[in-house]
Amino acid sequence: ETGVTQSPTHLIKTRGQQVTLRCSSQSGHNTVSWYQQALGQGPQFIFQYYREEENGRGNFPPRFSGLQFPNYSSELNVNALELDDSALYLCASSSAGAVGYGYTFGSGTRLTVV
Amino acid sequence: AQSVTQLDSQVPVFEEAPVELRCNYSSSVSVYLFWYVQYPNQGLQLLLKYLSGSTLVKGINGFEAEFNKSQTSFHLRKPSVHISDTAEYFCAVSVSPGNTGKLIFGQGTTLQVKP
Repeated sequence: ETGVTQSPTHLIKTRGQQVTLRCSSQSGHNTVSWYQQALGQGPQFIFQYYREEENGRGNFPPRFSGLQFPNYSSELNVNALELDDSALYLCASSSAGAVGYGYTFGSGTRLTVV
Repeated sequence: AQSVTQLDSQVPVFEEAPVELRCNYSSSVSVYLFWYVQYPNQGLQLLLKYLSGSTLVKGINGFEAEFNKSQTSFHLRKPSVHISDTAEYFCAVSVSPGNTGKLIFGQGTTLQVKP
């Protein structure tokens, strides 16, 4: 059973650019959530995808968008990058309806905006 | 709205000593409670969770936590810590047991175990 895989592990972007982060869910999981963890802070919920549709969104602007594919993998896209977007981006997968099973987190993508 | 407060940003402790990491939450509805650990340059690993039933929950690596509804607390404890327990610990709440919806995290507590 594979866990959650995120790519890339690190990247550096320039302010104003666009970035795409990728996440492969754990086998058997059909729900993907994305979190932003700024340095020294707890993770903040960005949004969740279930059956390829957004299923809840946190307090993030529309330039943060996502996709979920039929194989349950997911992408996080951020347009018009700002310096404050520098953070660790975590992906978590879960199985909707499997009460008590919990979320499995990936190791994250460290994004630095310069 | 729900919120989580971790009362200590850093907890230094000597190896083999007991430790308690404190977590309080606020919510107008029933919540489900979690503790996660984050080692340097890694993602989050679930230590334990409370969904219902017994208020004393046992998790991995010898950790346990007690849910106290009247005090809206979910403190994490370990009777004897090891150097390898040095990490960042996050308390989180959810209003959904079915693994949909968001987790709301506290700011984290850095556990520093000294030899």
